[in-house]
This record gives sequence, structure tokens and C-alpha cells, in this order.
Amino acid sequence: GESVGLHLPTLSVQEGDNSIINCAYSNSASDYFIWYKQESGKGPQFIIDIRSNMDKRQGQRVTVLLNKTVKHLSLQIAATQPGDSAVYFCAEISYSGAGSYQLTFGKGTKLSVIP
Amino acid sequence: DGGITQSPKYLFRKEGQNVTLSCEQNLNHDAMYWYRQDPGQGLRLIYYSQIVNDFQKGDIAEGYSVSREKKESFPLTVTSAQKNPTAFYLCASSISRDRLVQPQHFGDGTRLSIL
Repeated sequence: GESVGLHLPTLSVQEGDNSIINCAYSNSASDYFIWYKQESGKGPQFIIDIRSNMDKRQGQRVTVLLNKTVKHLSLQIAATQPGDSAVYFCAEISYSGAGSYQLTFGKGTKLSVIP
Repeated sequence: DGGITQSPKYLFRKEGQNVTLSCEQNLNHDAMYWYRQDPGQGLRLIYYSQIVNDFQKGDIAEGYSVSREKKESFPLTVTSAQKNPTAFYLCASSISRDRLVQPQHFGDGTRLSIL
């Protein structure tokens, strides 16, 4: 909901510019990463994912970059639109043993697009 | 359309009262999850279920209970033992908990407040 965006880092971008949202993850053994978009009052929506054996993956207007050396993940949004305004957060999946995986979510970044 | 339905969207609880949040999915997913979202924090796992009639505690299970009598349904009860229940609750599902590539699909959440 609206309160999800409180106390989060905020990125303000002019409409039409590119946006870069960053995420530092914690587990160097994480195998898989996901970016989610959460609009006000709604649940998170899957945007794009990337496996640890890749450095870059592109979708429609979005690109995810993975730097395993510094445990850093970024989401690039091309030609940012007002509809892109939301909270964006990353998630990492790591193997937790006994055939199970653990999903850890970042706190998120609030993207505000200036018309 | 396939998806996850959470109800109600807003819920109010009196002191000492138990309340139950509904989550239904028609995605034919085996795994279902409940998360709690607080302002400025990442999602925290309350309970998860990999299969019907089985569920496991997550990171913050105290004061909550769940059941999984049907594949498509995973209700969450917030008991009176949960002293700080005000939060945004998100239900999610995925094909299987044990598959690596498994982005979770989320419902649109229930906002619980204390009267």
C-alpha cells in the first residue's frame, strides 16, 4: 500500500530519461535473482529475473545487470514513463539445504517519475 | 484469468480477537506463502506450504496460524498472541518450492489495522 514507500530510498527521474535502480545482495552463494515492481495498494509484480551464471539479461524496456564480484544487482528502465512510478525491490534465492531454497527480499527503492 | 485473490482488502481487528485472511489461487501452484510487509522493510516470511496438508514456519510465525486443506487455498489466521499485527499481508504462490527458477506470484494484499 501507500505506506510501503515510506522510509525508502527515492529516485526521481524525468519522464523519458533512463532509470537505474540498485540492489546490494547479501549471499555470495545466491543462485537466482528477481526484480519486482510494487505499485501503491497492490502486490509485487514480477519484472525480470537472472541466474547467477549470467551477467546481463534484457526484457522489454528493462535490463538487469549482475555483478557477482561486488554482490550488486541493478535494474535499468529505458525511457521511463509515469506508469513506472512504484517501489522496486530485488529478491535473491539461495539454496538452504535439504532440497529447499530461501528467498530474501530487499527493502526497495521508490521510483518517482516527473512528467 | 489465472491469479491469486486475497480478501478482504482491508481488515480491522479488535484487541483479543482472531482474524482470518483469505488467499485463493487458480494457478495450480503447489507452493503457497504468506508474507508480512511493514513500511521501509523487506517482505518477511510468516508461513509457507509446499503441498496440501503440510506447512512450515517461516521467519516470523509467532502469533500466526495457517491451514492448507485444499491446493488452491491457504488462509492465514492472525491470533490475539500477535501483539503488533498492523501490517500489509501478502500471499504468494509458486509452481514448486524446490525448483530454483520459481518467481513467486503475489496477490494484491490485505491491510490489517487495529481498532
